[in-house]
Amino acid sequence: GENVEQHPSTLSVQEGDSAVIKCTYSDSASNYFPWYKQELGKGPQLIIDIRSNVGEKKDQRIAVTLNKTAKHFSLHITETQPEDSAVYFCAASIIWSNNDMRFGAGTRLTVKP
Amino acid sequence: DGGITQSPKYLFRKEGQNVTLSCEQNLNHDAMYWYRQDPGQGLRLIYYSQIVNDFQKGDIAEGYSVSREKKESFPLTVTSAQKNPTAFYLCASSIDGRGTDTQYFGPGTRLTVL
Repeated sequence: GENVEQHPSTLSVQEGDSAVIKCTYSDSASNYFPWYKQELGKGPQLIIDIRSNVGEKKDQRIAVTLNKTAKHFSLHITETQPEDSAVYFCAASIIWSNNDMRFGAGTRLTVKP
Repeated sequence: DGGITQSPKYLFRKEGQNVTLSCEQNLNHDAMYWYRQDPGQGLRLIYYSQIVNDFQKGDIAEGYSVSREKKESFPLTVTSAQKNPTAFYLCASSIDGRGTDTQYFGPGTRLTVL
């Protein structure tokens, strides 16, 4: 089955700097890659996702890149703000197979003012 | 105001007792899921349901049970057979179990066994 690894487990940046979180996956059939943000004591919220037919997707300060050949995808946050501090999870799944979504272990991002 | 609600937010249970966690959604989603989250770990799938009156085991179903009698509701029972039940439990839903994969999560229930 699919296995998703996420790095780093913790990340600390200064406000205004960029943050990059990387994930690798094992199943080459995976074709859907969402990223979730989880604030303390709350459920994860989808912030961006990408499907395998594109290599990059942007939404304001957030971008995700996908390298299907290398089987890795990354989350990029530019101009970080203190409210970006949270735990971020990546996931990978095969469309038409919802029961097979696998999550990374999470990255705790701290943005220092 | 559409979304997924979970109750209660915090739950305490004595060893040997069964407890039921509530999950309700008014998004008209067919598929619903239960995940368990432990510190420093990713989400692990307990059970999922793609349609009313049908559900399937996930990776860690032992010690848990579910029902799906209504489209809006997917309660999870943590039984006394679950050896380490203290965790944060997350319910999610998606439009269907086949055509799209975006899962929307509820706020979670933190279960503590005393």
